[in-house]
Amino acid sequence: ELKVEQNPLFLSMQEGKNYTIYCNYSTTSDRLYWYRQDPGKSLESLFVLLSNGAVKQEGRLMASLDTKARLSTLHITAAVHDLSATYFCAVDFQGAQKLVFGQGTRLTINP
Amino acid sequence: DTAVSQTPKYLVTQMGNDKSIKCEQNLGHDTMYWYKQDSKKFLKIMFSYNNKELIINETVPNRFSPKSPDKAHLNLHINSLELGDSAVYFCASSHRGGSDTQYFGPGTRLTVL
Repeated sequence: ELKVEQNPLFLSMQEGKNYTIYCNYSTTSDRLYWYRQDPGKSLESLFVLLSNGAVKQEGRLMASLDTKARLSTLHITAAVHDLSATYFCAVDFQGAQKLVFGQGTRLTINP
Repeated sequence: DTAVSQTPKYLVTQMGNDKSIKCEQNLGHDTMYWYKQDSKKFLKIMFSYNNKELIINETVPNRFSPKSPDKAHLNLHINSLELGDSAVYFCASSHRGGSDTQYFGPGTRLTVL
């Protein structure tokens, strides 16, 4: 079964703190994506991770991929309120021809 | 420049009605998708089309019928709407199926009363 699980599902944190969102998936993948969704809005692509050990960074967000552990992380450094959103990981499983999304992590950053 | 557009943005209707949602992309992509996002934000693929050909049909009730008149358009028609169809429906497109970043439309919030 093709499964993608995120942890935690809800995260409330203070500005200035660091935290990590985890994304586990069930079997071999070709690519892994991170998306951001603001309330009532569409999904915006943040990162695509292609291979084991891949690391991508944009501002205060850094994503990494460990294909052997079937794990990706999205690390938030010195959080600011503007990063409040729901973050989804999505996996392109080998041969599946589709993305399977995690449940989403609703991140709230308080001043 | 709008990349992936959907109409309407909001749709409120009675049970049993038939409705359509339209999607257009101007990115020159070959593959288009329909997703359903439920009230818990869970996002699940419904259909994908590659160059007007159906590639994925994810055990969606046959009340839902996608139509792709050309590779820039993918419409979704829903017959005999049920309460459980209430959700946000997103259209997306990618350069190639499955292995390229998908770009999402703004979503259509469907409410069935």
